[in-house]
Amino acid sequence: EVPLVESGGGLVQPGGSLRLSCAASGFTFSLYTMNWVRQAPGKGLEWLSYIRESSDIRSYADSVKGRFTISRDNAKNSLFLQLNSLRVEDTAVYYCARDGGSGWSLDFWGQGTLVTVSS
Amino acid sequence: QSALTQPASVSGSPGQSITFSCTGTSSDVGAYNYVSWYQQHPGKAPKLMIYEVSHRPSGVSNRFSGSKSGNTASLTISGLQAEDEADYYCSSYTSSSTRVFGGGTRLTVL
Repeated sequence: EVPLVESGGGLVQPGGSLRLSCAASGFTFSLYTMNWVRQAPGKGLEWLSYIRESSDIRSYADSVKGRFTISRDNAKNSLFLQLNSLRVEDTAVYYCARDGGSGWSLDFWGQGTLVTVSS
Repeated sequence: QSALTQPASVSGSPGQSITFSCTGTSSDVGAYNYVSWYQQHPGKAPKLMIYEVSHRPSGVSNRFSGSKSGNTASLTISGLQAEDEADYYCSSYTSSSTRVFGGGTRLTVL
């Protein structure tokens, strides 16, 4: 297994901010593109963002572009997602996932961290 | 970035074969052989079952197979088992350098 452990979720008011973290171990983190994916309660998966190995390329879904920022610290084997201007509809379990390098597939996922946006 | 289209639910009996469809556009599914499929049991993280349309990761049963024709990808499960009951999601790389998922299909094993 390739442990990915997310943290940083919690309850936040609309308009607030949160920073999610994903700690990686068991593989050479700096060699892999990493992603964030979320799942609203009872809903399907929604891809949010990816960041390439050296952070030179980042991509975002339209739904979060301008509000969320992905980053990574290869020295600390960590992936981050800064969530700003949060909305009620951002309530979801947020997963980090490794791009295995085969056809943009996500070969390992963390267990997720729950973000609840509510007043 | 519209989601790929998947049927909401599919059901089958043990031992049967069932096929899930995943319809996209010429900007995603039709443009690349970068379709992957994920299995998700309730309360669990998704698990990669198929990558690059038809390839199985190590450890995934050969009862799972994938294919693609035009803008539609398919996942077939043969010899259906009770443990296969789960939600299944397709995903594709897109011409916008993003990734898109389907809405998911719930498989019920009767």
